[in-house]
Amino acid sequence: EEQLLASGGGLVQPGGSLRLSCAASGFAFSTYGMTWVRQAPGRGLEWVSLISYGGGSTYYADSVKGRFTISRDNPKNTLFLQMNSLRVEDTAVYYCAKGSRVSARRDAFDIWGQGTVVTVSS
Amino acid sequence: DIQMTQSPSSLSASIGDRVTITCRASQGISNYLAWYQQKPGKVPKLLIYAASTLQSGVPSRFSGSESGTDFTLTINSLQPEDVATYYCQKYDSAPLTFGGGTKVEIK
Repeated sequence: EEQLLASGGGLVQPGGSLRLSCAASGFAFSTYGMTWVRQAPGRGLEWVSLISYGGGSTYYADSVKGRFTISRDNPKNTLFLQMNSLRVEDTAVYYCAKGSRVSARRDAFDIWGQGTVVTVSS
Repeated sequence: DIQMTQSPSSLSASIGDRVTITCRASQGISNYLAWYQQKPGKVPKLLIYAASTLQSGVPSRFSGSESGTDFTLTINSLQPEDVATYYCQKYDSAPLTFGGGTKVEIK
């Protein structure tokens, strides 16, 4: 069974850092693009970042560009999101999600992790 | 950046009704449009990709269509388990913007 397990969330002060992880199992992780999507309390879905299957291409929403870094460790089947200079408005549930087609450059996301909660507050 | 405008933001319909949700892209995105369903307290679920292709395991009462930059999600014969918020997402190029969501309730 294809699964994603997100972790690393928590309470952090404004200006602080967190590193989210997403452990993948049940599929060939290295052949799919991966993404992070967040959802602030009571709000809609917001795309955060995307990484290609090989890790060579990365993309970010303007709201996080220069503060967040997406990366992946294919041998360890793990996706990461390093979040620096956190702001109150970054408070959200962060979901990792898997591309639906092997080696696709443009892709929807068919498997989602359960989410990890990030709270930025003093 | 391309904006995705979804409407309505909420709707209430009766069991068995046909429900239509629209997503409009501010520029052309070809057919790189997906629809997701998020039930209360749950993780989003992919319903449709490539504007009109039903994801495996999704009931056939769900369908998608496109006309230029307008995309439509249709639920034929609304069921109680369809209560959820529905989102469109473009994936032609970054940013992979979501629409604002449509909350579907039972009347």
